[in-house]
Amino acid sequence: EDKVVQSPLSLVVHEGDTVTLNCSYEVTNFRSLLWYKQEKKAPTFLFMLTSSGIEKKSGRLSSILDKKELSSILNITATQTGDSAIYLCAAGGFNAGNNRKLIWGLGTSLAVNP
Amino acid sequence: DAGVIQSPRHEVTEMGQEVTLRCKPISGHDYLFWYRQTMMRGLELLIYFNNNVPIDDSGMPEDRFSAKMPNASFSTLKIQPSEPRDSAVYFCASRAAGDSSSQPQHFGDGTRLSIL
Repeated sequence: EDKVVQSPLSLVVHEGDTVTLNCSYEVTNFRSLLWYKQEKKAPTFLFMLTSSGIEKKSGRLSSILDKKELSSILNITATQTGDSAIYLCAAGGFNAGNNRKLIWGLGTSLAVNP
Repeated sequence: DAGVIQSPRHEVTEMGQEVTLRCKPISGHDYLFWYRQTMMRGLELLIYFNNNVPIDDSGMPEDRFSAKMPNASFSTLKIQPSEPRDSAVYFCASRAAGDSSSQPQHFGDGTRLSIL
């Protein structure tokens, strides 16, 4: 059965720390891995990764996909209190009926203390 | 640009009542998704549409749940009759056409549903 597992489930750090969030997936006909940030409301899109080993960066956030290990990491350097959120990982593929599917992890809850 | 718009933002009702959640996707997006989010189960895909046609409704939990998309700019998710275990945040999301490996989903702010 398809699944996405994120770790840790929750994390508390101090401002300025660097954090690494993990996502592992088992999805048939895998095509892409996505990271979202969810604060109080809607998940907002961060990254989409399709190629192994190519890092995507946006400011202090970066992410990389390892297709051999079926995993991805999201790094946040010099964390700020505004980074506090739930970070969701989702893996996209195709099901047996050739319909697109997106399998979501439960998320990592990050709290950044001042 | 307007994002995905959902209404109502909050809904509190008694069990047994009919609940209707509404969604307006981003203009030009061909795909629309309905999700339910709870602490225990995270985000669960209920159903998705492509060009107004339901493609996969395998996530709809029971016959009490139904969804429609009468046109490209409007969709509803209906629960009848509602039960306390339906309490959750319901999100609508849309994305543009193309391979899912190139087009992310954009989420509305959700409807927080509480069934008493």
